[in-house]
Amino acid sequence: DTGVSQDPRHKITKRGQNVTFRCDPISEHNRLYWYRQTLGQGPEFLTYFQNEAQLEKSRLLSDRFSAERPKGSFSTLEIQRTEQGDSAMYLCASSLEPGRINYGYTFGSGTRLTVV
Amino acid sequence: KQEVTQIPAALSVPEGENLVLNCSFTDSAIYNLQWFRQDPGKGLTSLLLIQSSQREQTSGRLNASLDKSSGRSTLYIAASQPGDSATYLCAVRDGNQFYFGTGTSLTVIP
Repeated sequence: DTGVSQDPRHKITKRGQNVTFRCDPISEHNRLYWYRQTLGQGPEFLTYFQNEAQLEKSRLLSDRFSAERPKGSFSTLEIQRTEQGDSAMYLCASSLEPGRINYGYTFGSGTRLTVV
Repeated sequence: KQEVTQIPAALSVPEGENLVLNCSFTDSAIYNLQWFRQDPGKGLTSLLLIQSSQREQTSGRLNASLDKSSGRSTLYIAASQPGDSATYLCAVRDGNQFYFGTGTSLTVIP
């Protein structure tokens, strides 16, 4: 297992189109997180899963955003009716569940979304 | 809500210099703190993770300290190299998510 994988690396879409991103976490990590990062800012939390259950969602996650993690493995993040303000880097991270000593995040390389 | 601040926002140093990056957070009830490196247009690479019960962690030329009671962490980089040029992000785990600072952009001049 080489780490967290995200696909695609870059996505350019026209305003109003739907886009879907995929994240494959480290296999033994049961927690998966989505973050969004805009230029010059630190990443901001969107949502996280423990196994297949989506346990927390940020207010940043509007009704146009939906995330799934079927079977507790890979996850998808879909944005419907994209807007220019959705342009950002979307980062996925995975970790072990709380209580383990090495409870740190491992991030993927991100998906850069540009809405034109 | 936890707020994380990093100072300075940008730093430029000659090669070989030792340097310190600062991170402060508003709520001391954290589980751990993690320092990341981010190259332009790339994802985050974990550098060091400090549990709330620890005072410091070291990896190679990097040393991170944590003072929970005062809400501060520092990242010390010894003998800086041009390859260290990147943005360094501090993140604190508070509950089920990490809160990030806006980063320090480091340039090491050959």
